Amino acid sequence: EAEVAQSPRYKITEKSQAVAFWCDPISGHATLYWYRQILGQGPELLVQFQDESVVDDSQLPKDRFSAERLKGVDSTLKIQPAELGDSAMYLCASARLGEQYFGPGTRLTVT
Amino acid sequence: AQSVAQPEDQVNVAEGNPLTVKCTYSVSGNPYLFWYVQYPNRGLQFLLKYITGDNLVKGSYGFEAEFNKSQTSFHLKKPSALVSDSALYFCAVRDTRAGSASKIIFGSGTRLSIRP
Repeated sequence: EAEVAQSPRYKITEKSQAVAFWCDPISGHATLYWYRQILGQGPELLVQFQDESVVDDSQLPKDRFSAERLKGVDSTLKIQPAELGDSAMYLCASARLGEQYFGPGTRLTVT
Repeated sequence: AQSVAQPEDQVNVAEGNPLTVKCTYSVSGNPYLFWYVQYPNRGLQFLLKYITGDNLVKGSYGFEAEFNKSQTSFHLKKPSALVSDSALYFCAVRDTRAGSASKIIFGSGTRLSIRP
């Protein structure tokens, strides 16, 4: 069964450093999402792509976060500089017919 | 505003007993409702969805959910709980407003604990 791939699974970084996460969606899924999930809370959407275009980045802190999906397939989410409050699980999901499939996530710890 | 509420942070059930995890929603228009499960350090797994049709929706791992329009609820149920059902459960609603890009809004989650 096809799955959404994410790497790395775990990342520890010092504050003010740059960090990047990668996501490879299920083949053929045009819609890709990045979520942030703080411990004990539900996921919150950061950015949504339709193919290579951003369709919703209203909750993305654009002063430090950026996301791209240049060829409309895999995607990268970057944080620069990282802050202590960015410690969270970052989830990627891809969708077909409105049903989202989630990757295993990247757990980020900022020290 | 579109929103979903899970009023219980934790639900404790004995193995073999029926379980219910509660969810209420607020949407404009027809709701698209979902349940997801999350195991420790894992992503969310889809359990079931309601879009239209029969109010009782059957999903994965023996779970089902009942859509109740008058009570704006979509409670998750299972007739006989297993210890392996212990996990974090999220209710979600799709934002169907024009221009919303079909964003899904998640509840805060309910931790289900099944004791042997």
